[in-house]
Amino acid sequence: NAGVTQTPKFRVLKTGQSMTLLCAQDMNHEYMYWYRQDPGMGLRLIHYSVGEGTTAKGEVPDGYNVSRLKKQNFLLGLESAAPSQTSVYFCASSYPIDSTEETQYFGPGTRLLVL
Amino acid sequence: LAKTTQPISMDSYEGQEVNITCSHNNIATNDYITWYQQFPSQGPRFIIQGYKTKVTNEVASLFIPADRKSSTLSLPRVSLSDTAVYYCLVGDTESGGSYIPTFGRGTSLIVHP
Repeated sequence: NAGVTQTPKFRVLKTGQSMTLLCAQDMNHEYMYWYRQDPGMGLRLIHYSVGEGTTAKGEVPDGYNVSRLKKQNFLLGLESAAPSQTSVYFCASSYPIDSTEETQYFGPGTRLLVL
Repeated sequence: LAKTTQPISMDSYEGQEVNITCSHNNIATNDYITWYQQFPSQGPRFIIQGYKTKVTNEVASLFIPADRKSSTLSLPRVSLSDTAVYYCLVGDTESGGSYIPTFGRGTSLIVHP
């Protein structure tokens, strides 16, 4: 099993450009998440999905869109990148045994620089 | 919407036991407490999870008092490789039953030779 993979690993964008970050998991997990991590801020949840075809907003959703067309993939889109979106983006997945007990498996991260 | 409070940083020396305490005063009845470890340039990884009393695995121990308003991650005999950021996480079932994980800022542990 590859676990959780993220594409690309690093990207430089100019302000106003768009891009899509891809997260893939091969563990048949129901839940998937996108986080961003900035220095001194810990991890902040952007969007998440509790199943194929469903998405929901997290703590910092503005400026991002997501799609979960296939269970194994969770896409994060930036329609018009801004320098404030410079960050490290982590994807995670999990399969809750019940509604509150679950372990998240994280990808290696995508470093995004917006100039 | 942070639900947990941890010390921002801690220092220790090789061979010592390290205890990191997390406060979660608003923990819900069904919430579990989970700790993650993150090394630089890597995603977090699961360390330990518990609901009450004490849980121990090959990496750490987790102590949870009866009121569950706090928890303590205990790392026995730390080594330099334990230098990392440690996150305490509690389940959040407030939003219609969907689990929304909420990470705090974590505790940066530095282990010195």
